[in-house]
Amino acid sequence: GDSVTQMEGPVTLSEEAFLTINCTYTATGYPSLFWYVQYPGEGLQLLLKATKADDKGSNKGFEATYRKETTSFHLEKGSVQVSDSAVYFCALSDRGTNAGKSTFGDGTTLTVKP
Amino acid sequence: DTAVSQTPKYLVTQMGNDKSIKCEQNLGHDTMYWYKQDSKKFLKIMFSYNNKELIINETVPNRFSPKSPDKAHLNLHINSLELGDSAVYFCASRLGQGATDTQYFGPGTRLTVL
Repeated sequence: GDSVTQMEGPVTLSEEAFLTINCTYTATGYPSLFWYVQYPGEGLQLLLKATKADDKGSNKGFEATYRKETTSFHLEKGSVQVSDSAVYFCALSDRGTNAGKSTFGDGTTLTVKP
Repeated sequence: DTAVSQTPKYLVTQMGNDKSIKCEQNLGHDTMYWYKQDSKKFLKIMFSYNNKELIINETVPNRFSPKSPDKAHLNLHINSLELGDSAVYFCASRLGQGATDTQYFGPGTRLTVL
């Protein structure tokens, strides 16, 4: 079946540091890939997505590139802020028999200190 | 306007009680979900409906029963509550079952069973 493996947390960084959160996946079909962010006390919201190989999703300074050859979708940001402190979830949505079902990673908690 | 809303936001109850959580989306989406998030932030899909039809029913105790009176509403009824049911429950919706579709999450219902 489908699965998503993301970097274990928690991750603690100083403000303006570079962020990478690794995400790799296995899928039976040709999935779309997503990063969702969950701020404290809130529901998940879409951060960015990519729907085909070599696509780059970007939003709020975050980027991730769909790498089919390495089955990866790593999240990066050049300079994090305190307000980026949240839980980040990598997810995939497959086609075919798994249509309609998303598979989420376990989440990575990021804390950014001033 | 809130896209996906849930009531109540907090629910504190005794073991053995029966409770319901309601969800409504005003996005015109066809597909809705219930997820359970535990204290470690792991997100687990429970159910999904597409146009009022149950399409995903993961391994969930049959004390949990979803009901979709129309495609804008998806409620979750829980019988004989147990300590292990304490979690945050998220409702989500999605345009359809397309792999590229983003999921939109509600703010969550924090259930505490005493």
